[in-house]
Amino acid sequence: KAGVTQTPRYLIKTRGQQVTLSCSPISGHRSVSWYQQTPGQGLQFLFEYFSETQRNKGNFPGRFSGRQFSNSRSEMNVSTLELGDSALYLCASSLEGLGRGQPQHFGDGTRLSIL
Amino acid sequence: DQQVKQNSPSLSVQEGRISILNCDYTNSMFDYFLWYKKYPAEGPTFLISISSIKDKNEDGRFTVFLNKSAKHLSLHIVPSQPGDSAVYFCAARDSGGSNYKLTFGKGTLLTVNP
Repeated sequence: KAGVTQTPRYLIKTRGQQVTLSCSPISGHRSVSWYQQTPGQGLQFLFEYFSETQRNKGNFPGRFSGRQFSNSRSEMNVSTLELGDSALYLCASSLEGLGRGQPQHFGDGTRLSIL
Repeated sequence: DQQVKQNSPSLSVQEGRISILNCDYTNSMFDYFLWYKKYPAEGPTFLISISSIKDKNEDGRFTVFLNKSAKHLSLHIVPSQPGDSAVYFCAARDSGGSNYKLTFGKGTLLTVNP
């Protein structure tokens, strides 16, 4: 069974640009969550999508947005990039999501570097 | 304000012995707890979970204990193997309202020496 796939694995951008990251969940999983991992803050929850709707949201500014498609694939967009956005961005999927007490399965992440 | 704390950044144990990883939390709305392990250059891998209505859950060599009164969670690995060497994260689900989200600790690096 294929796992969670994130593309690209590495990305380099400059301040002020925008970026789109992609996540394909495990087949059959309808919930997709996004996390940011930095050395100082650890893993922080960005948002969760389920059936193309944002269901839960963390404490990140509006520059961070996402969407989910009918096949459950998800994209995350960050606009007006700042140096502090340099991080590992992780996507996780589950069958029905956090509200059902199901564990999430993570992809290997996209390493975003801002110059 | 760190709601999930893993106070030991690292732990070293001998192969065959018990590894005990600890996690403390402050939010009384946490109702579901998980442990993940992470190898370098890979995403976290789910290990084991426990609901707040239980105090123990076992899966093979892994056992998670929950002490709700102390707001303390621990993961026991018995016996420890060199392949268990990784960073271990505890995570807690916040069930406040309908906005479910996971809060992670900053991780403990476990090294199992042959």
